[in-house]
Amino acid sequence: SQQGEEDPQALSIQEGENATMNCSYKTSINNLQWYRQNSGRGLVHLILIRSNEREKHSGRLRVTLDTSKKSSSLLITASRAADTASYFCATDALWAGLTFGKGTHLIIQP
Amino acid sequence: GAGVSQSPSNKVTEKGKDVELRCDPISGHTALYWYRQSLGQGLEFLIYFQGNSAPDKSGLPSDRFSAERTGGSVSTLTIQRTQQEDSAVYLCASSSSRSNQPQHFGDGTRLSIL
Repeated sequence: SQQGEEDPQALSIQEGENATMNCSYKTSINNLQWYRQNSGRGLVHLILIRSNEREKHSGRLRVTLDTSKKSSSLLITASRAADTASYFCATDALWAGLTFGKGTHLIIQP
Repeated sequence: GAGVSQSPSNKVTEKGKDVELRCDPISGHTALYWYRQSLGQGLEFLIYFQGNSAPDKSGLPSDRFSAERTGGSVSTLTIQRTQQEDSAVYLCASSSSRSNQPQHFGDGTRLSIL
């Protein structure tokens, strides 16, 4: 079953703008991860944030986690055409595999 | 270094046939995972291995699905008596341990049941 729900389902912005995607989940987690998927390919890990962390940065990526609201956000700054992809949040409760949301399809217009 | 390798990349078979999907994880990764991705269901967790053992098989959709891992390395996912609803992309991932580690995914096997 799906635990995470990404919002929005689709997002189209101009190159250079920032893109923000949100994720909500339902149960307790050990960590939350964000992945990117290009069409026809596997998922690429972007960032992992543990349940006791509130914010994490990696290059142009910024992830926040609010365990009281069971939500997370992914911010991509200064977007590029190559950022066009689907983005998934995934929760890890350590009892099984990851539980993925349905994803946000991001399109960067050149 | 080499990533997670899955074979075949595409498989087309007739309903009722058995299929075997293979995953070769990153060398040294003790944890291995199988997921299924389909339009209707999104990304679903199927099973994971810690070493050669699978602590939780409850994610497997039916008893037609089975998986094994030998030598702490290669894993095979077998689907018996395939049905059209089994059509999906089957993704394999591995991680260096089970705790707080990113998972590295292969490109998947696209399975089509005619």
